[in-house]
Amino acid sequence: GAVVSQHPSRVICKSGTSVKIECRSLDFQATTMFWYRQFPKQSLMLMATSNEGSKATYEQGVEKDKFLINHASLTLSTLTVTSAHPEDSSFYICSASPPSGLTSTDTQYFGPGTRLTVL
Amino acid sequence: KQEVTQIPAALSVPEGENLVLNCSFTDSAIYNLQWFRQDPGKGLTSLLLIQSSQREQTSGRLNASLDKSSGRSTLYIAASQPGDSATYLCAVLADYKLSFGAGTTVTVRA
Repeated sequence: GAVVSQHPSRVICKSGTSVKIECRSLDFQATTMFWYRQFPKQSLMLMATSNEGSKATYEQGVEKDKFLINHASLTLSTLTVTSAHPEDSSFYICSASPPSGLTSTDTQYFGPGTRLTVL
Repeated sequence: KQEVTQIPAALSVPEGENLVLNCSFTDSAIYNLQWFRQDPGKGLTSLLLIQSSQREQTSGRLNASLDKSSGRSTLYIAASQPGDSATYLCAVLADYKLSFGAGTTVTVRA
């Protein structure tokens, strides 16, 4: 089955620093990757959609200068939280969709998530 | 904007009892609906996917129904086991985006 990994699984940083989270599709090429954020007891909220080789599309209310997304290859997308603050502490989950024909384009495969804590 | 609601927010049942989880959505123009399982601090595991043209999907002890016109889906889990304890999320796909409910946290008591 399709596997998506995330690294790191957990990160603690000081306020004002930047943190990079990687999302990799291990056994398929992901033309589209998605980044979600989940606060405790709340639903996943889509932050942005990224397509390989093009700029990410951010959802309303998500600061693109704060959450930098790079989708440089068909198997890797990165989310960088710049100048992180305590309110950015959350669970960040990525997902990836394979190209049509390999499997259903309706399917998103989710990574295991990254717990970010900003002190 | 699509709003997805799950009721109840939490559920505790004795082992062996059947589970009924509800999901409603406001915009019926969806492509499909998925049910996911999430264990504490973990990512999502897809359980069932129902296309908008389908009425239900079954996998083992799990059965999900979809009534697109009324904006409702129900997940049934038969003969619950302690290993079924988790948070169950439903999500609808529309405009190439998934919108999630907040989930129902299930506890199955041994």
